[in-house]
Amino acid sequence: EAEVAQSPRYKITEKSQAVAFWCDPISGHATLYWYRQILGQGPELLVQFQDESVVDDSQLPKDRFSAERLKGVDSTLKIQPAELGDSAMYLCASSLGADTQYFGPGTRLTVL
Amino acid sequence: AQSVTQLDSQVPVFEEAPVELRCNYSSSVSVYLFWYVQYPNQGLQLLLKYLSGSTLVKGINGFEAEFNKSQTSFHLRKPSVHISDTAEYFCAVSDRFEGGSEKLVFGKGTKLTVNP
Repeated sequence: EAEVAQSPRYKITEKSQAVAFWCDPISGHATLYWYRQILGQGPELLVQFQDESVVDDSQLPKDRFSAERLKGVDSTLKIQPAELGDSAMYLCASSLGADTQYFGPGTRLTVL
Repeated sequence: AQSVTQLDSQVPVFEEAPVELRCNYSSSVSVYLFWYVQYPNQGLQLLLKYLSGSTLVKGINGFEAEFNKSQTSFHLRKPSVHISDTAEYFCAVSDRFEGGSEKLVFGKGTKLTVNP
């Protein structure tokens, strides 16, 4: 069964450092999403791509976060500089149609 | 904008007992509804979804949910739980429009703990 791949699974960094997360969606899925999940809460959408174009990045803190999906396949989410409050699980999801999203295993970020 | 309320943050039950996890949503338009399960340090796995048609939806692992439009609810049920059902469960909604849907909005989650 096809799955969404994410790496790394765990990342520990110091504040003010740069971090990057990678996501490879299910093959053929045109829509890709990045979510942030703070401990004890549900995921919140950071950015949505349709192919290589950003559809929604209204909740992305653009002063420090950036996301790209240059060839419309895999994607990278970057934080620079990282802050203590960025500690969270970062989830990637993809979808084929307009309804069901399939999630990857996530990257657990700890900022010290 | 739509929102989701999961009425119970924690639900402890004994093994083989029935369970219901409650979810209410608010939206001014037609919606898609979802339940996801998350095990510790893992991503979200789709349990079931309501897109249209029958209001009783059956999912994986013996779970089912019923869409109630008048009460704007989508409660998740299982007649007999196992220890392995211990996890966090998230209800999610997206507004539906012709040709697509808006972003998925999640509730805060319900932690289900099944005790022996």
